[in-house]
Amino acid sequence: KQEVTQIPAALSVPEGENLVLNCSFTDSAIYNLQWFRQDPGKGLTSLLLIQSSQREQTSGRLNASLDKSSGRSTLYIAASQPGDSATYLCAVRNYGGATNKLIFGTGTLLAVQP
Amino acid sequence: GAGVSQSPRYKVAKRGQDVALRCDPISGHVSLFWYQQALGQGPEFLTYFQNEAQLDKSGLPSDRFFAERPEGSVSTLKIQRTQQEDSAVYLCASSLGRGRGRGGYTFGSGTRLTVV
Repeated sequence: KQEVTQIPAALSVPEGENLVLNCSFTDSAIYNLQWFRQDPGKGLTSLLLIQSSQREQTSGRLNASLDKSSGRSTLYIAASQPGDSATYLCAVRNYGGATNKLIFGTGTLLAVQP
Repeated sequence: GAGVSQSPRYKVAKRGQDVALRCDPISGHVSLFWYQQALGQGPEFLTYFQNEAQLDKSGLPSDRFFAERPEGSVSTLKIQRTQQEDSAVYLCASSLGRGRGRGGYTFGSGTRLTVV
């Protein structure tokens, strides 16, 4: 059974710092991995999607890497801003089966202090 | 529509009451998912539709939970005889592809259900 773990559970950094969020998964047979952002009381906003054949994806100040063989992904946020404060969730889609369901980690709550 | 729309945004139900949560996916999206997110947790899969067919309902926690998508667009998640443990945010997501596609998902803002 696929299990997704995110560490740290919470992180507080001063504005301007670079930071790394970690995601690990137990079954390496995945189709893709997706990073989401969730603001309080809101739904999920997709940040980056990495296919299983890819090593990384970049969007603006965000860079996500994927090491499928070791079951790890990282989300790197450069020059953090207070507006980056949110919960960050990673989710994997397993290979095989009839359902494209996502399996989520429990998230990292990020607070960027001005 | 431009995004996935869910209604109501908030629902307070008395224990034992039935509730119905609605999801309007992006027009043309084949796949539709329901997830349940308890406080402080990641979303957990409930059920999946491909057009009007419910292909996977393995995540529904009990037979009090029922979902339908009769015309392959709008979906309703119904919870009968609500219990306090049903309190959560219910998220709907849709995706253009079918089967084991490579695309991502678009999530709605969710319905926050509180059972008192």
